[in-house]
This record gives sequence, structure tokens and C-alpha cells, in this order.
Amino acid sequence: KNQVEQSPQSLIILEGKNCTLQCNYTVSPFSNLRWYKQDTGRGPVSLTIMTFSENTKSNGRYTATLDADTKQSSLHITASQLSDSASYICVGCLQTGANNLFFGTGTRLTVIP
Amino acid sequence: ETGVTQTPRHLVMGMTNKKSLKCEQHLGHNAMYWYKQSAKKPLELMFVYNFKEQTENNSVPSRFSPECPNSSHLFLHLHTLQPEDSALYLCASSQGLQETQYFGPGTRLLVL
Repeated sequence: KNQVEQSPQSLIILEGKNCTLQCNYTVSPFSNLRWYKQDTGRGPVSLTIMTFSENTKSNGRYTATLDADTKQSSLHITASQLSDSASYICVGCLQTGANNLFFGTGTRLTVIP
Repeated sequence: ETGVTQTPRHLVMGMTNKKSLKCEQHLGHNAMYWYKQSAKKPLELMFVYNFKEQTENNSVPSRFSPECPNSSHLFLHLHTLQPEDSALYLCASSQGLQETQYFGPGTRLLVL
């Protein structure tokens, strides 16, 4: 069964601190793993896309890692800012088909001053 | 802004009403999608259109009726909805089915 699980469900951190969000995926045949950021009242915005051959990819203060052997991914946020408060959604993508994305339920991150 | 707009942003309707959600993308993409997002649940794909042709209907009840008149516009016609249909409805577009999807801001729907 294709599915994506994320942890923790929610997280509160102090401004300036780092944090890491986790994603376990079972998606086959696997094409790529995506991380999206969704601000409250907005649609998701793509942060990174990684294929099985990529171990890490950065987008500013966001760094995603991928371990294709253990089927795990993480999103590391460095020097958090108040604007990082959002839901972060992990998405596994199949190689083919129109219904090819499997979404996690997201991690709700709150950054407090 | 992602280049995908949705109207209205908020909608309250009774179970006997008929309403339509509109999505427009200004990115020149070929594929468009409707998703439903309920609290604490993953995004649920509803419909996919590729080059104006519907390629996916993910077991969606017939009270939801999509329409794609051209590759830039997508509608979701709603009639005789149920309270459990209350959710955030997101539209997305992508250049191809394997490419990054760009989401609109969504329509927050409340069915009374």
C-alpha cells in the first residue's frame, strides 16, 4: 500500500533554533520525494524535489535529505524565523499515472519569539 | 503568488444550493487538478485534467462535477452537497503529470 507518514504531528520551537521534521514513505514504483510548505489559509508551496539518486537538497534555510534504502526523508530548518510557522507536507511521487502523489498529513510547526 | 488563482476564497452554502468554484492558471501549464483538504487528513485528489481531457476521477461523488473548458481554466460545480463536504478545495496546475504542482490559495467551503 502506498502511503506517507510524518512525525511529529506538531512542533513548537523558539525563534532562531533549528528543527528536523521526519517522513517515512512507502511508494512504489518510486519517482521522487517532495516537501511542501503550507501557510495558514494558503495553498502548499513546493520547497524541494528529490529523486532516489539525490541524498540532499537545499532551498535557503531548508535542507531535505533522502535515504532511498530506508525510505526515509527529513526536512531540516536552520535558524528558524517566525515566518517558518506553517504546515510542512511530505509527498511521495510514483513514476507513472495521473494519480501519482501520496501526501502525508503534515507537521504543524509553530515558531515563537 | 503562485500564478494560480481561485474564486471565491470563502463560500457558505446550504445543502440544496448550486454553486461553482473557479480556478485559473497563468503559467501555461497543461495539467490541472482539484484536491480536497480536510482537517488532519492528507490532501485527497479529486480530478485531473491533462490537455483539457479528464484523466482521473478519484471515486468522487457525482454531486461534484468538474469542467475544463481550456487548459487555463478549471471549474468545480457543486450541487446538493452534504455537511461532510465542508473543507478547503485546492486547485493546482503543472506542466506535465510528473512535474511540480503549483497550488492556488484554495476555497474554504462550509456546507450548512
